[in-house]
Amino acid sequence: QVHLVESGGGVVERGGSLRLSCVASGFTFSSYGMHWVRRAPGKGPEWVAFIRSDGSIKYYGDSLKGRVTISRDNSKNTLYLQMNSLRAEDTGVYSCAKDLLVETDAPASAYDFWGQGTLVTVSS
Amino acid sequence: QSVLTQPPSVSGAPGHMVTISCTGSTSNIGAIYDVHWYQQLPGAVPKLLIYGNFNRPSGVPDRFSGSKSGSSASLAITGLQAEDEADYYCQSYDSSLDGVVFGGGTTLTVL
Repeated sequence: QVHLVESGGGVVERGGSLRLSCVASGFTFSSYGMHWVRRAPGKGPEWVAFIRSDGSIKYYGDSLKGRVTISRDNSKNTLYLQMNSLRAEDTGVYSCAKDLLVETDAPASAYDFWGQGTLVTVSS
Repeated sequence: QSVLTQPPSVSGAPGHMVTISCTGSTSNIGAIYDVHWYQQLPGAVPKLLIYGNFNRPSGVPDRFSGSKSGSSASLAITGLQAEDEADYYCQSYDSSLDGVVFGGGTTLTVL
């Protein structure tokens, strides 16, 4: 059974930093691309970043580009998102999501599993 | 303003059919990129409903179907049930943005 469990969220002041983690289980983590997606209050999903199964390819969404870094440690089955220079509009629930297809090179696949997410609140 | 445009809301009576549209452009749906659909029940994470334009994951009832034509895609739900009340989102890839794009979401109300 696939499980994705995020942590690392919290309340941070504008301009601050956070490092989010997503621990995966129930599938061969090192075979799948992974994503971070955020959901702001009352809004739909917004894609944040993608990382290839081996970590060699990364893509970023425009809203956070230059301020976030996605990474992964396949030996620990863990996905990370380093977030810097946070703004009030970055507030939301950040979820990790698993690609449906194995070893994709680009973030065009559907997501077959999502984590519940971790709440990031940026105070101004 | 989302790159993919969905109607904010649709409604239908139990047993009837509704369709939800997702309109994009030549850099996403109108290109070679697939459209995927998700259902989000209140308080839950999105659930994959349709992938690759028209494919259903195992466990998704055949009341749900997807299609794509030109720069638009549609999700059809037949035999509406009260449990179908949820938010629905389309997703694709955009070559101009070099990233994933979602629709703004459609709230389905079963009357």
